[in-house]
Amino acid sequence: QKEVEQNSGPLSVPEGAIASLNCTYSDRGSQSFFWYRQYSGKSPELIMFIYSNGDKEDGRFTAQLNKASQYVSLLIRDSQPSDSATYLCAVRRNNNDMRFGAGTRLTVKP
Amino acid sequence: KAGVTQTPRYLIKTRGQQVTLSCSPISGHRSVSWYQQTPGQGLQFLFEYFSETQRNKGNFPGRFSGRQFSNSRSEMNVSTLELGDSALYLCASSLVGTGGNEQYFGPGTRLTVT
Repeated sequence: QKEVEQNSGPLSVPEGAIASLNCTYSDRGSQSFFWYRQYSGKSPELIMFIYSNGDKEDGRFTAQLNKASQYVSLLIRDSQPSDSATYLCAVRRNNNDMRFGAGTRLTVKP
Repeated sequence: KAGVTQTPRYLIKTRGQQVTLSCSPISGHRSVSWYQQTPGQGLQFLFEYFSETQRNKGNFPGRFSGRQFSNSRSEMNVSTLELGDSALYLCASSLVGTGGNEQYFGPGTRLTVT
């Protein structure tokens, strides 16, 4: 079992729709959870982080965390073509190191 | 505030050579982590340094090493380069002890081994 798992996609949504990205992790003691966006040829850019169960909203982005299910998700409302990128889920484990998922490629079609 | 900087941005080396990559963290950030990113393996953790001490290490051979200086700048060294070391090497810095210890990435160094 991989430490952090994401659907590789590609995930395609029409402009204006909600994009839902999912991530599961194996280390139950993990402390913090992060979503990064990476455009082709660029380095990852932090979108959000969450460390308490529930939802955290920032503009069009909502991160959701369920530690009991070891599941974290990212919702992107009113998706725009500029949101087309690879989204990386990252987990800071109990030993304090970071593990990344393989990423989900999102395409928003105009 | 300036972001994370990495030098050089691009590097071409031949098998058997060694290479040193440099990373300057965001001012005030004392933790620096290094990652290797390849299309097949994704983003893989190499090591993390905090206050000049290696705090965590990923599953890479001993050819990969690093260090951190008193000003928090970090270097990563790869000896006896292999073709499979061709990758984007990213460093990320974080302000330990606040929030989720979120990491901010530099632009990366693209290493090509021929």
